[in-house]
Amino acid sequence: ELKVEQNPLFLSMQEGKNYTIYCNYSTTSDRLYWYRQDPGKSLESLFVLLSNGAVKQEGRLMASLDTKARLSTLHITAAVHDLSATYFCAGGDDKIIFGKGTRLHILP
Amino acid sequence: GAVVSQHPSWVICKSGTSVKIECRSLDFQATTMFWYRQFPKQSLMLMATSNEGSKATYEQGVEKDKFLINHASLTLSTLTVTSAHPEDSSFYICSASLAGRDTQYFGPGTRLTVL
Repeated sequence: ELKVEQNPLFLSMQEGKNYTIYCNYSTTSDRLYWYRQDPGKSLESLFVLLSNGAVKQEGRLMASLDTKARLSTLHITAAVHDLSATYFCAGGDDKIIFGKGTRLHILP
Repeated sequence: GAVVSQHPSWVICKSGTSVKIECRSLDFQATTMFWYRQFPKQSLMLMATSNEGSKATYEQGVEKDKFLINHASLTLSTLTVTSAHPEDSSFYICSASLAGRDTQYFGPGTRLTVL
């Protein structure tokens, strides 16, 4: 069964800095998802990556997918406090398997 | 488009009672709905997958007699937690998709607290 591992699990960073969250998965997956979750809230879909080499960007967030390495990354550029949240990657075909999440805290 | 609602958004109940949570796709017909459970500061764990008009498929370790899932129409799935206990307290999130392989749209979640 698909296993999804994220790292780091916790990240505290200064505003203005760049950082990357990594997501490794164990078996082939047709698609890779990134979600954001604010405390007490449900999930907000950020990106769906469908093919090798896919890169998507929205504001300060950019996600990429390398299916050969079974690796996806979520890159944060010039972080701002509003990006503080928990970020999940997930993969799967008929059902989605989630990673443990990365709790991101951006210090003002 | 693609809005999923849940009701109630939160519920407090006494131990031993049953609680029903509804998940509705408001502007599309969902052939497949998924139920997840999330404990505090943990990830989402898939409980079951339900297809309209057929029995739900439960993940390993999820008691189907305790967590009753009904997907009676293309816009409504319900999760009933029977004989709830404090350890069932959790955040329950549903999602819906047009077909098993399409993007899932998540509901806002239901926070269950069992006293």
